[in-house]
Amino acid sequence: DTAVSQTPKYLVTQMGNDKSIKCEQNLGHDTMYWYKQDSKKFLKIMFSYNNKELIINETVPNRFSPKSPDKAHLNLHINSLELGDSAVYFCATSNGGRFYNEQFFGPGTRLTVL
Amino acid sequence: GQQLNQSPQSMFIQEGEDVSMNCTSSSIFNTWLWYKQDPGEGPVLLIALYKAGELTSNGRLTAQFGITRKDSFLNISASIPSDVGIYFCAGLSGGYQKVTFGIGTKLQVIP
Repeated sequence: DTAVSQTPKYLVTQMGNDKSIKCEQNLGHDTMYWYKQDSKKFLKIMFSYNNKELIINETVPNRFSPKSPDKAHLNLHINSLELGDSAVYFCATSNGGRFYNEQFFGPGTRLTVL
Repeated sequence: GQQLNQSPQSMFIQEGEDVSMNCTSSSIFNTWLWYKQDPGEGPVLLIALYKAGELTSNGRLTAQFGITRKDSFLNISASIPSDVGIYFCAGLSGGYQKVTFGIGTKLQVIP
């Protein structure tokens, strides 16, 4: 069983479209994250949810909206896709609230906007 | 925002050689982390450092949390081909596990 899974693995779409990326974890962790990795491999946190509550919201355009239907899922919806949104998006999970615990990353979703 | 300077950005080494990479920051971190990312995969945690001055090993890997809390290094001894990948340092400050990543060191090992 994959601990942190993301779907789809690859996503190719046209500018202006709306798309969603899904993340599911079976680790029972209480915190989930979305990261964006650009073409230069720079990893930047976008959002973090703890027990379905948004706790980190970096400077991300409001075209990006995370949704956590339950503790095991954190989906990322992107409206009006732009060329600059092309990147690899990683979901991650951890446990423990305020104190650091290892973050387990999913395999990533490569988004290409044409 | 906080920034981490990671160096070198890439390195080519011969199998069997030792490797050293480091990260520096303009601000203090409470925790330093080192991750490795293989192609097509997400990053995997190698070592976590929680105290200034702490020196921790994980097999052939050794990492240290700088005394000033603004830097950390990672050493890999006797490199092997499977060490190839991108190594990221990351710092944690404040609450709720907000992690700032360095730009990565791409390691290539020549057999």
